[in-house]
Amino acid sequence: AQTVTQSQPEMSVQEAETVTLSCTYDTSESNYYLFWYKQPPSRQMILVIRQEAYKQQNATENRFSVNFQKAAKSFSLKISDSQLGDTAMYFCAFTSPRDDKIIFGKGTRLHILP
Amino acid sequence: DARVTQTPRHKVTEMGQEVTMRCQPILGHNTVFWYRQTMMQGLELLAYFRNRAPLDDSGMPKDRFSAEMPDATLATLKIQPSEPRDSAVYFCASGLGKRISDTQYFGPGTRLTVL
Repeated sequence: AQTVTQSQPEMSVQEAETVTLSCTYDTSESNYYLFWYKQPPSRQMILVIRQEAYKQQNATENRFSVNFQKAAKSFSLKISDSQLGDTAMYFCAFTSPRDDKIIFGKGTRLHILP
Repeated sequence: DARVTQTPRHKVTEMGQEVTMRCQPILGHNTVFWYRQTMMQGLELLAYFRNRAPLDDSGMPKDRFSAEMPDATLATLKIQPSEPRDSAVYFCASGLGKRISDTQYFGPGTRLTVL
């Protein structure tokens, strides 16, 4: 069975700093997708970034980028020039086309300090 | 600005009562997902529909939960009878793709408290 692990329950960084959130996963599949979702205090889940496993290139979205290490089964999220609005819970998620399930990690609560 | 809407946003009920949560997917989206979020279990997929047909409800307790799509603009999740352990935030999400890996747009959630 697939698993997703986020080892950092909570983190705090100063505004404008760079922060990296870690995520590891376990699967025997070769074709799959990985996601980072943001859940601010408003509770709305927002897709931050999506990575397809067969693509070597790391996905980026403005200040958000991932470091996808397929062999190590690692999928970390880097937030550059962090802003107060980045304060939220961040969830890593995994899905594979073969079983059509989605599995979320337990989340990392990120605080951006002024 | 197209959004997924969910009603009610908050619901407090007594154990044993029926609870119905509603979701209006983004117009034109053909896939609808129901999730449950708790502190202990995190975020879990309960069920999802494509073109109004249920594709997978293996994450849902069958004895008391039911999910339906009476039409393309409405999805419902019903709990009967409700129990305190059902207290959670229930999210609906919708998407345009054929696969669960395609982008999903989440609603604001319904916070359910069962006393």
